[in-house]
Amino acid sequence: SAVISQKPSRDICQRGTSLTIQCQVDSQVTMMFWYRQQPGQSLTLIATANQGSEATYESGFVIDKFPISRPNLTFSTLTVSNMSPEDSSIYLCSVSPTGTYGYTFGSGTRLTVV
Amino acid sequence: GQQVMQIPQYQHVQEGEDFTTYCNSSTTLSNIQWYKQRPGGHPVFLIQLVKSGEVKKQKRLTFQFGEAKKNSSLHITATQTTDVGTYFCAGGQGAQKLVFGQGTRLTINP
Repeated sequence: SAVISQKPSRDICQRGTSLTIQCQVDSQVTMMFWYRQQPGQSLTLIATANQGSEATYESGFVIDKFPISRPNLTFSTLTVSNMSPEDSSIYLCSVSPTGTYGYTFGSGTRLTVV
Repeated sequence: GQQVMQIPQYQHVQEGEDFTTYCNSSTTLSNIQWYKQRPGGHPVFLIQLVKSGEVKKQKRLTFQFGEAKKNSSLHITATQTTDVGTYFCAGGQGAQKLVFGQGTRLTINP
């Protein structure tokens, strides 16, 4: 299975600022997925990032708030923009190297907005 | 849109007791996957079921996929303290996108 390096692991940010989260995968993957997980809650898909094209966002998530970059097949970033306390959450990236079987998750970024 | 419901939300058992979590989808799934998330950790893939009526076992864990491919269950026999965590089902419906259930948080009294 793939190995994902995600950073930062945690951060405390001031409201109104932005944070960029990075995920580096040890193999080439077509799609990378970004999830949000509120403490004690389930995972909600934010967007799917394809290399060479714009990310596809799920209902309730917009590019202006969560811009995503995917410059190559092993790397992606998610930016949480103009943060408010409601953005406090765990953000995770995920990939499936085989395309459909067994998704691997990064270790997550625990974001607190104050 | 597709919804995946999972029950119970919480389950507390004595070590050695069995545990079951159930998952139901509002639509037919192409596959269902199960993940385990330890406290403070990230989800870790356990298994994928694809075929109608499929049953798979991993040691003390038994996974089932319903005949209509809309429901699934995970059963743990004789729980151990290492089984503590939250178990998520995730339904696949194409385009590699997964929809996660709410998860069942399992705690165990040793």
